Amino acid sequence: DGKVTQSSRYLVKRTGEKVFLECVQDMDHENMFWYRQDPGLGLRLIYFSYDVKMKEKGDIPEGYSVSREKKERFSLILESASTNQTSMYLCASSLMGASGYEQYFGPGTRLTVT
Amino acid sequence: AQTVTQSQPEMSVQEAETVTLSCTYDTSESDYYLFWYKQPPSRQMILVIRQEAYKQQNATENRFSVNFQKAAKSFSLKISDSQLGDAAMYFCACTSRDDKIIFGKGTRLHILP
Repeated sequence: DGKVTQSSRYLVKRTGEKVFLECVQDMDHENMFWYRQDPGLGLRLIYFSYDVKMKEKGDIPEGYSVSREKKERFSLILESASTNQTSMYLCASSLMGASGYEQYFGPGTRLTVT
Repeated sequence: AQTVTQSQPEMSVQEAETVTLSCTYDTSESDYYLFWYKQPPSRQMILVIRQEAYKQQNATENRFSVNFQKAAKSFSLKISDSQLGDAAMYFCACTSRDDKIIFGKGTRLHILP
């Protein structure tokens, strides 16, 4: 079975720092996703990429940007971290087309911004 | 806008008993898929079961089955013979446009020994 890996399980950053969250998948999936998970709010889509160098805003893109230079890697960037970005961040990937394909998730990165 | 609603934030069930988690959804898509995902404590989210909307037959995976009521836009998950390893957050989800998925807010399931 393939895997989705995320660069860190836990991360602590200071307000104003630039933060990079990395995600790598080994399943040759076209689609990659970044979600934010908060208690009582479920998973909210931040950004979505369906191909290298292609990206699409999700429901809550403000304060975030993404980069996809290679098919297997999708990075989430917090340009200037703020305390309200303290959260669990989940990366996922899936095959493109025929939307019944499941999404495969990474283990998550719990980010704390102080 | 598409929505997925899980009305039970938390539930508890005795080990070996049966429990049903509720989910309703709203979509304007004519062709869509529904999912239940499981997120155990400190572990990765995994797919439990998938239902294709055009199929009338309810999906089953071992002890997990769904009750899919298309007209009512209801998609509940039944877990039979509950085990301690079933303790997790469960998310109901529905496909949206362009391979995206809309998730509900989750139901935390506790298994009582």
